[in-house]
Parts: sequence; C-alpha cells; structure tokens
Amino acid sequence: RKEVEQDPGPFNVPEGATVAFNCTYSNSASQSFFWYRQDCRKEPKLLMSVYSSGNEDGRFTAQLNRASQYISLLIRDSKLSDSATYLCVVRLSGGYNKLIFGAGTRLAVHP
Amino acid sequence: NAGVTQTPKFRVLKTGQSMTLLCAQDMNHEYMYWYRQDPGMGLRLIHYSVGEGTTAKGEVPDGYNVSRLKKQNFLLGLESAAPSQTSVYFCASSPEEAKNIQYFGAGTRLSVL
Repeated sequence: RKEVEQDPGPFNVPEGATVAFNCTYSNSASQSFFWYRQDCRKEPKLLMSVYSSGNEDGRFTAQLNRASQYISLLIRDSKLSDSATYLCVVRLSGGYNKLIFGAGTRLAVHP
Repeated sequence: NAGVTQTPKFRVLKTGQSMTLLCAQDMNHEYMYWYRQDPGMGLRLIHYSVGEGTTAKGEVPDGYNVSRLKKQNFLLGLESAAPSQTSVYFCASSPEEAKNIQYFGAGTRLSVL
C-alpha cells in the first residue's frame, strides 16, 4: 500500500467550476501536511501547507482530518492556469525532515 | 535569483556509462535532496544531505552515489547506468529554519538505453 494515495484523475472541469481533491496517508506518525503543484514537465512548487483547523489561501482551501488520515484541497472558481498536477505531501515526525509525496492528481481546466 | 539549478537538463546514456548530475543552490540552505520521479509514482528520495560534508541514504539509493563537498553543491553520480535509472531527477533544498519547505530545481531528464 502506498504511504500517500491520491486519485490520479484527470479531473476535467470547465472554467469557474469548483473541484475537490482528496488524499489519504497511512502513517499515523505523520506530522505536517502540504499540497504542492507541478506543472507539466516542470518542478514541484509548494502551494500551501495544511493545518488541522483548515486553512484558506484565496480560491484554495485545504482541510485535514487526522482521525481519518485524510487531506483535501478545494479549488473554487477554477482558472485555466490552475491546470496542473497537485501533489499531496506528508512529513513524518523525527529524523531529517522526510517528505512523502503522493503520485499526484491531474487537473485540466477547459474554457 | 537563481534558486536551485540543475545541470544538465537532458541526457541520454548507454547502459554501463557513468555520469554526474550537478545541483547548485544559492540560498545558503543546509538541507539538500535528490529525488527521482517516475510515471504513476510519487517523488522518491534517493539520497539527502543535512549539511556540508554529510550524506545519507534515502528510499532508493542503490546504483547512486552522492557528495556534498561544498554547502551549495550536491552531486549525484551514476557509476554504471542501467535502463531502470531512466527517470526525471529533481534536486531540492530547504533551510534549517523552514525544513518543511523544499525548493526544487527544474529537473534532469535522463534516458538510459
């Protein structure tokens, strides 16, 4: 079983739509949680951290459910420029700051 | 501001050849990492370094070696390339005060024939 699991998609949505991605993680020792964005043939970049109380950054809302070991990302009013792969990332406690990356969920926003 | 720079961007090798991938960061970060990314899989950590002169094995270290002689550079070596090492390689770095955030280079696309 993968340590971080995501639906690979693709999610094909029209501009203006609201779309949600989910992610589950298997290691209960996971300490910190993130969403990274990766454009086609580019490097991953941090989109936002995910906090237990939930957090928002403009059109993006992230939620964490530690009991269910579940992370979500909601994108409102989708733009063409949101088309990318979204990587769910988990940091384990202790050690050297090990990040575990999910394989990503691909989003395609069309006109 | 260059950030994290990887060279080369593309390379084609024959089985058994050797090569070195160079990662350079100008942000004075302590931590540096080498990952590989394959279709349908998340980024997997090959080796990492927590400071100049230190290196350690990650999740998939076999067939690779690394060195960090200078704080700003992290080199990844393939001594005898195999087709299974065909992948996209990413280098990343993070500062001591914000270890959770990793800054990535643009990647190196390597094909081993």
